[in-house]
Amino acid sequence: EPEVTQTPSHQVTQMGQEVILRCVPISNHLYFYWYRQILGQKVEFLVSFYNNEISEKSEIFDDQFSVERPDGSNFTLKIRSTKLEDSAMYFCASSGRRGTDTQYFGPGTRLTVL
Amino acid sequence: QQQVKQSPQSLIVQKGGISIINCAYENTAFDYFPWYQQFPGKGPALLIAIRPDVSEKKEGRFTISFNKSAKQFSLHIMDSQPGDSATYFCAARDGTASKLTFGTGTRLQVTL
Repeated sequence: EPEVTQTPSHQVTQMGQEVILRCVPISNHLYFYWYRQILGQKVEFLVSFYNNEISEKSEIFDDQFSVERPDGSNFTLKIRSTKLEDSAMYFCASSGRRGTDTQYFGPGTRLTVL
Repeated sequence: QQQVKQSPQSLIVQKGGISIINCAYENTAFDYFPWYQQFPGKGPALLIAIRPDVSEKKEGRFTISFNKSAKQFSLHIMDSQPGDSATYFCAARDGTASKLTFGTGTRLQVTL
């Protein structure tokens, strides 16, 4: 069964450093998402991406965040200057040909900012 | 307005019992209500979903009950099994956007 994959599974970084989290969505999906989950808290929407542009973003997704689909398979989340409060599990998700299709989540990347 | 409130935070049920998790929302524009199951170290996986034009949906041992007037919906797990032990999230989406708004999660433990 096709699945969303994410790398790395765990990233440790120093405050102020840039990190790039990578995702490979399900191959025929057109909608891509990033969510995050701070330890013990709910899953929060960050951004949705369709047709090579951001379709929606939350207030969390400020100027230090960016997303990119650099090629036909990868979808990346970049955090330019990490803060302690960016420590969380980051989930990539993808859905099919419509934004209303089921979202399939990857296993997540645990980001630890020291 | 965008929140989805979920309870209880944690739940312990004996094997064979019924697990019930409740969610409430305020945004009347929400028109799709999925439940996700998450095992440790894994991403959330869709379990079952409902739209507000029906009051109940059943898939195997899992049932969603939906009360549109009360703006509440719940997940019932019948004949709960130890393999059901996981964290369950309710979520909601409004028709104008594709993002999901999640509840705070319920950690379910099914004991032998």
